[in-house]
Amino acid sequence: IAGITQAPTSQILAAGRRMTLRCTQDMRHNAMYWYRQDLGLGLRLIHYSNTAGTTGKGEVPDGYSVSRANTDDFPLTLASAVPSQTSVYFCASSESRDGNTGELFFGEGSRLTVL
Amino acid sequence: GQNIDQPTEMTATEGAIVQINCTYQTSGFNGLFWYQQHAGEAPTFLSYNVLDGLEEKGRFSSFLSRSKGYSYLLLKELQMKDSASYLCAAMDSNYQLIWGAGTKLIIKP
Repeated sequence: IAGITQAPTSQILAAGRRMTLRCTQDMRHNAMYWYRQDLGLGLRLIHYSNTAGTTGKGEVPDGYSVSRANTDDFPLTLASAVPSQTSVYFCASSESRDGNTGELFFGEGSRLTVL
Repeated sequence: GQNIDQPTEMTATEGAIVQINCTYQTSGFNGLFWYQQHAGEAPTFLSYNVLDGLEEKGRFSSFLSRSKGYSYLLLKELQMKDSASYLCAAMDSNYQLIWGAGTKLIIKP
């Protein structure tokens, strides 16, 4: 089934450790995104990529980095995790970032707990 | 600043109709989206409005008034499976989505 795959589904991590959340899509979408979702808040954009080879900062980029070496993969790295990064992380994709309805397709999420 | 407001929680009865309101303030406007999110799952796309008026899609309809910065999602013939959070999001002039915190809809038999 076409879509977006995230891994891991859930992870408990010690503060200070490095962590990479993986995201792969098979829809050949140009644009990809990483969001975090916290209780009582709307989805907040961390980083995005308009197309392979390019990335941009979203609303809350500090403490996170991304890369987009090819169309399909968009990993998110926490270089040194802190408890405030405890959240549910969603990867998403769309055909393009502008010019159309902008419908996003989401992965199932990665629940990260930093202790 | 940019802002989206929607009610935190609503309760409705199975078979009834419910309207979920959303007001937005954005720098420029490129459309208003509604997504459904069941607990523990990913958001899924419901509707997109960029012109004023009502868009109907089965039991769900979405309305937009650009002059008022206002939208609503109308759910008819409510079913228990409609219990979920409904997320409103507006796209600004930079094609960035500004998300509301979501409205948790509880359906009672």
